[in-house]
Amino acid sequence: QSVLTQPPSASGTPGQRVTISCSGSSSNIGSNTVNWYQQLPGTAPKLLIYRNNQRPSGVPDRFSGSKSGTSASLAISGLQSEDEADYYCAAWDDSLNGVFGGGTKLTVL
Amino acid sequence: QLQLQESGPGLVKPSETLSLTCTVSGDSVSGSSYYWGWIRQPPGQGLEWIGGIHYTGTVTYNPSLKSRVAISVDTSKNQFSLRLNSVTAADTAVYYCARSIDSWFRFHYWGQGTLVTVSS
Repeated sequence: QSVLTQPPSASGTPGQRVTISCSGSSSNIGSNTVNWYQQLPGTAPKLLIYRNNQRPSGVPDRFSGSKSGTSASLAISGLQSEDEADYYCAAWDDSLNGVFGGGTKLTVL
Repeated sequence: QLQLQESGPGLVKPSETLSLTCTVSGDSVSGSSYYWGWIRQPPGQGLEWIGGIHYTGTVTYNPSLKSRVAISVDTSKNQFSLRLNSVTAADTAVYYCARSIDSWFRFHYWGQGTLVTVSS
């Protein structure tokens, strides 16, 4: 059971907009910033969004993040086949622990 | 270009100690803003943060693993290491090393990962 809660799966068709939610608590998302990672099959995770809504260099602006209270969301617009991957939210917890969501498997139909 | 490479045994016997090293190239482990971490992923499952270290030697560990984990840094070799003792099959996972900047838990760079299997 992960500290941060994500839906196990999500799907969309090419060109569509998809959102993935991440729910936490006052000790993690509620008081610290949220990061999102993309993990393509068989590869290491890649930082997609940091500090709630910042994109590292090279990440397309189709990817965006937001946070409100103890929840966060990742939005992917203009869905492409190469976006099919696992997505993880992550946040520091005030118990001095880094916590991840359980991951959401995104399928592009 | 920063590169991180994990190395160590791919098979460890139950009750023994898992030891991995992450070799950093393209930058120094001694950067004051850098925090170096270990993350693992059991087969078919999600990510779990193990802990991290700053080059000064300051460490922080996942409370659920704290009694069994030790992370160290060797600035002369530009490496940092993980030791996990008393392993069981539940410790079988792909182990990643990674770098975070200005935070314990924001990993911009990752190693490719190494699978460690705990089995007799």
